[in-house]
Amino acid sequence: GAVVSQHPSWVICKSGTSVKIECRSLDFQATTMFWYRQFPKQSLMLMATSNEGSKATYEQGVEKDKFLINHASLTLSTLTVTSAHPEDSSFYICSAEVPGQSTDTQYFGPGTRLTVL
Amino acid sequence: RKEVEQDPGPFNVPEGATVAFNCTYSNSASQSFFWYRQDCRKEPKLLMSVYSSGNEDGRFTAQLNRASQYISLLIRDSKLSDSATYLCVVNGGYNNNDMRFGAGTRLTVKP
Repeated sequence: GAVVSQHPSWVICKSGTSVKIECRSLDFQATTMFWYRQFPKQSLMLMATSNEGSKATYEQGVEKDKFLINHASLTLSTLTVTSAHPEDSSFYICSAEVPGQSTDTQYFGPGTRLTVL
Repeated sequence: RKEVEQDPGPFNVPEGATVAFNCTYSNSASQSFFWYRQDCRKEPKLLMSVYSSGNEDGRFTAQLNRASQYISLLIRDSKLSDSATYLCVVNGGYNNNDMRFGAGTRLTVKP
């Protein structure tokens, strides 16, 4: 099946630093990837849609200058949390659409747990 | 009103029980429907897609009622390993990439 990886799996950083999270499709090419955020005991919230070779589409309320998304290749999308603050601490999950499937099924990466001190 | 609403749960059932989860969605233009399973502190994993005709995969049966904008998941003969949070996921209808998640229903199966 489709495999999506994320790196790092967890990160602890100081307030004010920037953190980059990578999302890779390992056995397929993904023109579209998605970034989600999940706070404790809450469901996933879509942050942005990442399109290879073009600008990401952000959901309402998500600051594009704070959450920088780059989808430079068909197998890699990155999310950079700039000037992270404690309220950015969350579980960040990426997903990718598998091309050629009849339904728009998404496969998820294992997630990155970010803790900002 | 939330775009996707699920039974709040939690559901605590004994092994072997049959349990049903319900989900309603607000956007009548939605085209794709899914149930995902999420274990504690892990990523969601696709359990099954939901088709208009209803579909079954082993002990799991999913049904869709477009007229009522309602989706269900039935788990028969529940196992301890079924304990997880079950997420109802609906395509937003505006484009194929616009997925909306329900808040999830927590299931605990006890011996």
